[in-house]
Amino acid sequence: GDSVTQMEGPVTLSEEAFLTINCTYTATGYPSLFWYVQYPGEGLQLLLKATKADDKGSNKGFEATYRKETTSFHLEKGSVQVSDSAVYFCALSEGNYGGSQGNLIFGKGTKLSVKP
Amino acid sequence: DAGVTQSPTHLIKTRGQHVTLRCSPISGHKSVSWYQQVLGQGPQFIFQYYEKEERGRGNFPDRFSARQFPNYSSELNVNALLLGDSALYLCASSLLSGRAGTGELFFGEGSRLTVL
Repeated sequence: GDSVTQMEGPVTLSEEAFLTINCTYTATGYPSLFWYVQYPGEGLQLLLKATKADDKGSNKGFEATYRKETTSFHLEKGSVQVSDSAVYFCALSEGNYGGSQGNLIFGKGTKLSVKP
Repeated sequence: DAGVTQSPTHLIKTRGQHVTLRCSPISGHKSVSWYQQVLGQGPQFIFQYYEKEERGRGNFPDRFSARQFPNYSSELNVNALLLGDSALYLCASSLLSGRAGTGELFFGEGSRLTVL
């Protein structure tokens, strides 16, 4: 079945460092890809998404490009801040109309800690 | 506008009991999904409902059931609780878009269930 694999954490960086969190997927068909973020004590929030190959999702300085040839959707940010400390989840949606839109397959999550 | 609201936020049950978790979606959202998040793991899809009909079901036993009401709120029921049911139960609502799999899921903060 479909699956998502993301790099294990925790990841600890200094402020202004470059961030990469790797995510690869296995899917039949043409999934949409997402990054969700979970800040301490809060619910999951959509960070960015890409719905077809070569699309780049971006938000709050984070970027990820949908690479069909490598089945990857790596998350990057050029300069992290302390406020970026959170757990990041890569996810895919199978993309069938309607019925499976609520069915996201998540990776295990990567905890990021940014030190001042 | 209010986000997705879930109740209760925390609860403790003993093995063999049953539990009912409740979710109110964002106003105007007709789709509700339920996820189970075990500590240290990504969320696992349980159910999706749209217009009071089940649209998807994950790999969970029949002890898990759900329903959606005319006002689009939803309940998740778990019978004969096991220790392994201890988890954060997340509800998410969404608008179904014309192109499948592209919509955003909006998550509540979850109901944390502890089974003793």
